[in-house]
Amino acid sequence: DVQLVESGGGLVKPGGSLRLSCAASGFTFSTYSMNWIRQAPGKGLEWVSSISSSTSYIDYADSVKGRFTISRDNAKNSLYLQMNSVRAEDTAVYYCARDRDSSGYSGIFDYWGQGTLVTVSS
Amino acid sequence: DIQMTQSPASLSASVGDRVTITCRASQSISSYVNWYQQKPGKAPKLLINAASSLQSGVPSRFSGSGSGTDFTLTISGLQPEDFATYYCQQSYSTPWTFGQGTKVEIK
Repeated sequence: DVQLVESGGGLVKPGGSLRLSCAASGFTFSTYSMNWIRQAPGKGLEWVSSISSSTSYIDYADSVKGRFTISRDNAKNSLYLQMNSVRAEDTAVYYCARDRDSSGYSGIFDYWGQGTLVTVSS
Repeated sequence: DIQMTQSPASLSASVGDRVTITCRASQSISSYVNWYQQKPGKAPKLLINAASSLQSGVPSRFSGSGSGTDFTLTISGLQPEDFATYYCQQSYSTPWTFGQGTKVEIK
C-alpha cells in the first residue's frame, strides 16, 4: 500500500526555519513527481510546491517563493520542504501528496499523507 | 492564476438525497478538474479526475461532469459516510488551485 508519512512540524518563531520531511513507501518513489500542499486552520487547500521525479522541474506558489525550498532524496524515498523566514500566515497543516502520473507531472494528487502541523508564533 | 469558485459554500441534506456541487473556473480549462473529499482531521481523498473519471474504489454514486469553465460533482443517494467537505481543483496550469470547498452537512 502507498504510504506517505510527514514529520518535522512544530512551533517556530516568525523569521525562523523548519524542515519538513515526508517518508514514502509502497511505490517506486523515484518515478513520481511529489508535492507539498497546505491547509491553514479552518481554511481551504493551497498548493505550495512541486518537484519532478528527477528534480529537473521545481515549482513554487508565489506566497512561498524565495523562502521555501523543496527537495527529494530518491535513495531514501524521502521528500523535504525547507521553510525559511516563516511568517504567521505559514501556519498550516502541511501535506505531502503524490502526483498521479508515473514519470509525469499532472497536477492530480492521488495519495496524501496525514499531514504535519506547523505553527508560526512568537 | 486560475480561480476556482465553488457553490454553495455549505449545504444541508438528508441521507438518500441527490446533491450537486458546482465549480466555476476563471478561464477555460478543458476537462482539467479534479474533485477531492475531506473528512474532519483527515487528508483529502481524490474522488474524480479529468472532470468525470472516477477513481478506483470510489462508489458509483459519485459522478462528475463539465468542461470549459463549469463543472459539477453529483452524489446520487447521499450516504452517512459522504458528509464531508468537497474541493474542486484545476490541473490545467500552475499554480494548481483549489476551490474554497463545499461542506455537506446532515439535515
